[in-house]
Amino acid sequence: DGGITQSPKYLFRKEGQNVTLSCEQNLNHDAMYWYRQDPGQGLRLIYYSQIVNDFQKGDIAEGYSVSREKKESFPLTVTSAQKNPTAFYLCASSIEYNYGYTFGSGTRLTVV
Amino acid sequence: GNSVTQMEGPVTLSEEAFLTINCTYTATGYPSLFWYVQYPGEGLQLLLKATKADDKGSNKGFEATYRKETTSFHLEKGSVQVSDSAVYFCALSESASKIIFGSGTRLSIRP
Repeated sequence: DGGITQSPKYLFRKEGQNVTLSCEQNLNHDAMYWYRQDPGQGLRLIYYSQIVNDFQKGDIAEGYSVSREKKESFPLTVTSAQKNPTAFYLCASSIEYNYGYTFGSGTRLTVV
Repeated sequence: GNSVTQMEGPVTLSEEAFLTINCTYTATGYPSLFWYVQYPGEGLQLLLKATKADDKGSNKGFEATYRKETTSFHLEKGSVQVSDSAVYFCALSESASKIIFGSGTRLSIRP
């Protein structure tokens, strides 16, 4: 079955360390997105990519970085510059924006 | 800029009650509108969508109608079940670059 796989589901890191969250899709979607969700809040866009080797900053890109070397993969690195990285991170993809997004099951990052 | 406003939760109902979750939007142009559902600890799932005025999206007993005159896309279900307990997000497509989400409404259904 086609879908989006995010790994790991839970991630713990020490403050000051960089960490990379994986997102892989086999839907043949061109566009991919990273969102952050904090408790009781909506989703905020971190980065998005509409095509391989190209990506754009979203509303809260500071302290994060991404790459898009393959159509299937869009990893997110949470750097030590991100002041409050503990959150639930969601990856999504889309074949065309009017069709909506397909989401992964998320990665819960806790920085201690 | 474009925005989505949905009713604050939590909303608590008894099983078999009628559900309405209000959603209004501000947008230039003609966006597509969506409702997503999120179960605890999971990602979001697309529940239904409408791409133009007067379209009605429907799925699993849920319905929403794209009302351009009132800039609304209210979610309704005639008889809710305990399994409908989740967080519901209203959203609109701003452009090819992104979808804007509302803040979410938590729904709890009592047996």
